[in-house]
Amino acid sequence: QSALTQPASVSGSPGQSITISCTGTSSDVGGYNYVSWYQQHPGKAPKLMIFEVSNRPSGVSNRFSGSKSGNTASLTISGLQAEDEADYYCNSYTSATTVVFGGGTRLTVL
Amino acid sequence: QVQLVESGGGVVQPGGSLRLSCVASTFAFSRYGIHWVRQAPGKGLEWVAFIRHDGYNQYYADSVKGRFTTSRDNSKNTVYLHMNSLRAEDSAVYFCAKEIVGGILQSAFDIWGQGTMVTVSS
Repeated sequence: QSALTQPASVSGSPGQSITISCTGTSSDVGGYNYVSWYQQHPGKAPKLMIFEVSNRPSGVSNRFSGSKSGNTASLTISGLQAEDEADYYCNSYTSATTVVFGGGTRLTVL
Repeated sequence: QVQLVESGGGVVQPGGSLRLSCVASTFAFSRYGIHWVRQAPGKGLEWVAFIRHDGYNQYYADSVKGRFTTSRDNSKNTVYLHMNSLRAEDSAVYFCAKEIVGGILQSAFDIWGQGTMVTVSS
């Protein structure tokens, strides 16, 4: 169960767009449309931002969007705001009937 | 307000045991699978275990298989994580989290508890 691969950090200025990648294998990300993304602020529980690759839960801003191509999923945040600064994690269902997380990406809003 | 509340964390010696509880409120608890996820201090999220809505199937990460078991009592809206043979590397905040869709495991956790800290140290 190797962790999904995410960049350690990304940054952007307010109003810009950024994209965070999440790379797995055909046994997880590439094999199922069960990829989710979470936002975590320091000392808080994670918050679900995207599920089933591109669906937003009720109450999540439409500035957040998800997509997938092959074994790589992506989270795009448009119109960056200061409050978007947080850690972001992807996860995926796997062929072993388990769940695997990415290592996390620290987003800095400059 | 839909919520999950964990309890049972604490300090335990290596090789010891601990039982965590996760109590749910204000949702149809018996219809949803529940996951356990942990986060070591300063580290990322690690999936630990999942129990189906009816309790008939459980799945575990390789790192805890054979040492941890999860169970549930739907009459008490509670899920448990029984942790045995604890190691220093099991030290983490343990979260329980609810699957967004009832009846299946699809790795989308829409409700999380606040977490409970487990420290394994002599």
